[in-house]
Amino acid sequence: GPKVLQIPSHQIIDMGQMVTLNCDPVSNHLYFYWYKQILGQQMEFLVNFYNGKVMEKSKLFKDQFSVERPDGSYFTLKIQPTALEDSAVYFCASSSGLGSAEQFFGPGTRLTVL
Amino acid sequence: QQKVQQSPESLSVPEGGMASFNCTSSDRNFQYFWWYRQHSGEGPKALMSIFSDGDKKEGRFTAHLNKASLHVSLHIRDSQPSDSALYFCAASEHDNYAQGLTFGLGTRVSVFP
Repeated sequence: GPKVLQIPSHQIIDMGQMVTLNCDPVSNHLYFYWYKQILGQQMEFLVNFYNGKVMEKSKLFKDQFSVERPDGSYFTLKIQPTALEDSAVYFCASSSGLGSAEQFFGPGTRLTVL
Repeated sequence: QQKVQQSPESLSVPEGGMASFNCTSSDRNFQYFWWYRQHSGEGPKALMSIFSDGDKKEGRFTAHLNKASLHVSLHIRDSQPSDSALYFCAASEHDNYAQGLTFGLGTRVSVFP
């Protein structure tokens, strides 16, 4: 079936540095999402993105976060600067915007901020 | 308080048996529900959505929604070892594609031979 890819699978970074998480969504999908899951907690919605714009964001989407998808390439989540509480697994998802609007998820990027 | 609560946290079911677990929303704005399944090392994958009162069946999976109580259940008939996974309930205020989903903590299902 359709697959969402995420690069890298793991990232270790020092607090205060910048990190970019990359997502290769399902081809021809138009809507893109990031979710955050801290160990032992539920997965939480961060942001969704359509037609080059953020449509909706949660209170977890801090000012240090930004998203973009330049020229149909990777959909990225950038955190600058990183904080210890940013350590989590970040899941990317995409959907076509048609029918039942199923969101297809990637395998996640585990981010560790030291 | 979490807006989407799942129970039990885990359950074991024999191969060929029925697995049943539940989800409740504390937010009356949440009217649309999804079940997702996640195998180890993979992202969640949608099993089915349910937006109307009553039962919805897809193969061995049956979901039931009671909108008055905002209670959703999932039943897996003839459970297989490949059904061993973490099952998430997710809810949203609308059925459209733009909205982020609110997830529960999940129910871990183990199918034993």
